[in-house]
Amino acid sequence: LAKTTQPISMDSYEGQEVNITCSHNNIATNDYITWYQQFPSQGPRFIIQGYKTKVTNEVASLFIPADRKSSTLSLPRVSLSDTAVYYCLVSPRGTDKLIFGTGTRLQVFP
Amino acid sequence: DSGVTQTPKHLITATGQRVTLRCSPRSGDLSVYWYQQSLDQGLQFLIQYYNGEERAKGNILERFSAQQFPDLHSELNLSSLELGDSALYFCASSVGVDQPQHFGDGTRLSIL
Repeated sequence: LAKTTQPISMDSYEGQEVNITCSHNNIATNDYITWYQQFPSQGPRFIIQGYKTKVTNEVASLFIPADRKSSTLSLPRVSLSDTAVYYCLVSPRGTDKLIFGTGTRLQVFP
Repeated sequence: DSGVTQTPKHLITATGQRVTLRCSPRSGDLSVYWYQQSLDQGLQFLIQYYNGEERAKGNILERFSAQQFPDLHSELNLSSLELGDSALYFCASSVGVDQPQHFGDGTRLSIL
């Protein structure tokens, strides 16, 4: 399974766009990328999943360059409630086991 | 609300004891997963069941076992408990392979 590297922490202010980048240099051809959000004492919550190029849903966008060695989660106009830990996961298609790294702790200030 | 229900929310017991954690998956989900989250090791995958059958195993200790019942709920049994077993135990469910997992709010296990 590909190893991921994320910044340990990030700070932002309400209303700003936040981009969290994840490095996965040894991603395999059939690996897909998934992001989860976790609040203290709660289970992780699925945010977005992608394989290549760009994916957008109602809460976030996921940008994946052509070489797929990294990916960027983009959160538009964050609010205080976006303060959480964000995990990037890389898993082969057909594999259900999720390997969580240490994640990125995002702190949003008023 | 993820739709995944875990009980109990909190459990306090002593070393050497045995406990059972219960998980009810989202309606329609056939896969159930168990994870352990402790302060020093992050979220660790333990085991997965799909429609009653074991599908994948992670770093699950021999003292731990699980099963998924015909109604698709699952139980995680932890025995001969040690202090190091204190952690948050999460259950997740999904419709199937490659589908997003939906997590419950966990059971916090404290071993005294």
